Amino acid sequence: DTAVSQTPKYLVTQMGNDKSIKCEQNLGHDTMYWYKQDSKKFLKIMFSYNNKELIINETVPNRFSPKSPDKAHLNLHINSLELGDSAVYFCASSQGIPRDYEQYFGPGTRLTVT
Amino acid sequence: AQKITQTQPGMFVQEKEAVTLDCTYDTSDPSYGLFWYKQPSSGEMIFLIYQGSYDQQNATEGRYSLNFQKARKSANLVISASQLGDSAMYFCAMRGLNAGGTSYGKLTFGQGTILTVHP
Repeated sequence: DTAVSQTPKYLVTQMGNDKSIKCEQNLGHDTMYWYKQDSKKFLKIMFSYNNKELIINETVPNRFSPKSPDKAHLNLHINSLELGDSAVYFCASSQGIPRDYEQYFGPGTRLTVT
Repeated sequence: AQKITQTQPGMFVQEKEAVTLDCTYDTSDPSYGLFWYKQPSSGEMIFLIYQGSYDQQNATEGRYSLNFQKARKSANLVISASQLGDSAMYFCAMRGLNAGGTSYGKLTFGQGTILTVHP
């Protein structure tokens, strides 16, 4: 059973396109996150949702729009893709307060913008 | 603001020996949690161990232990009896609590340390 899944695993697209990455967790967690890992392997939080509500938005460009249709899903839509958006995007989930200990990560989506 | 520093870009260890991966942190939060994650070459992020700032004892999980020294603001990961499968990137991360004493789990990561285990 996959705890946190992401689709697609690889995404290659051209500048200016719009693309979406989907994330689903079957752990019953309340909180979900998007992280970006750049080419130097640095991981940085982008967004966090708790029970479908946006909690954290770390000064990410407006071209990035997260959407949480329900507690188990957090999708990431990116408009007008730029070369600098090339990275690995990780979805994660956690139980939330007060047991916000472990965050379980998805397998990552490697986005390449050409 | 929170900051995590991992000063070792790369570490080498002989199989079956122990290795310590360094992590120092800085935060003004009254309480916080410290995490270690492993990222093998396949790319997934694997949770290893957690230490709460008010935990009296150092956390241990199998061959992993966290050497937590609060006064020095360090949270080093010790891997005992290294195995070839331990070769990976290791990330130290921190989660703080806000003034209200709650957090929605935002993790701040260090730069990572690449561990190579030699046979």
